[in-house]
Amino acid sequence: SSELTQDPAVSVALGQTVRITCQGDSLRDYYASWYQQKPGQAPILVIYGKNNRPSGTPDRFSGSRSGNTASLTITGAQAEDEADYYCNSRESGGYHLVFGGGTRLTVL
Amino acid sequence: QVHLQESGPGLVKPSQTLSLTCTVSGGSITSGDSHWNWIRQSPGKGLEWIGSVFYSGGTYYNPSLKSRLDLSVTSSKNQFSVRLSSVTAADTAVYYCARARVDGSIDYWGQGTLVTVSS
Repeated sequence: SSELTQDPAVSVALGQTVRITCQGDSLRDYYASWYQQKPGQAPILVIYGKNNRPSGTPDRFSGSRSGNTASLTITGAQAEDEADYYCNSRESGGYHLVFGGGTRLTVL
Repeated sequence: QVHLQESGPGLVKPSQTLSLTCTVSGGSITSGDSHWNWIRQSPGKGLEWIGSVFYSGGTYYNPSLKSRLDLSVTSSKNQFSVRLSSVTAADTAVYYCARARVDGSIDYWGQGTLVTVSS
């Protein structure tokens, strides 16, 4: 099975821009989806597809892909963006899903 | 708005079988190309995909759990279920049920239920 790799932790100053990355072979075939999880809560979808935001996701969140690497960018990070972020995708050739290990974002 | 709710025992003894059910409301489990998933999160750890089931009964399992895993769907009750056999303390986790779209994005999650494996 394939894997998705994320940096364990990233920090950003309040109001600055931060990029969280996700790397894996499946991303050459499928776009990554991104989830935000705050302590004690279920994850919520923030980005999916090429760069789509569900209703409720602030427009400071955006997604992109280059080769086997997907990125979640937060432009003008806010205190409420401090959370764990996970990427996922389908595995190539089937409906199996795979998650990245997660990135803990700290807003300074 | 689709809503998912997990139910089942919060405590399971080692070597026994963990059984959870997810009840879907606000939408039909047979609609569209959605597939219905179980995902777990061990304390302080990341998300782990367990497996998925289509309303037709087709299943996809995490290879690391496949030998112990059984997913099923009960369309008449708008429910799907997971059974994980021969559990150990390593299976202690918050278990989420969730709906995934064809592209693999998960748009609806249950609130999660903590299952502890302990004697």
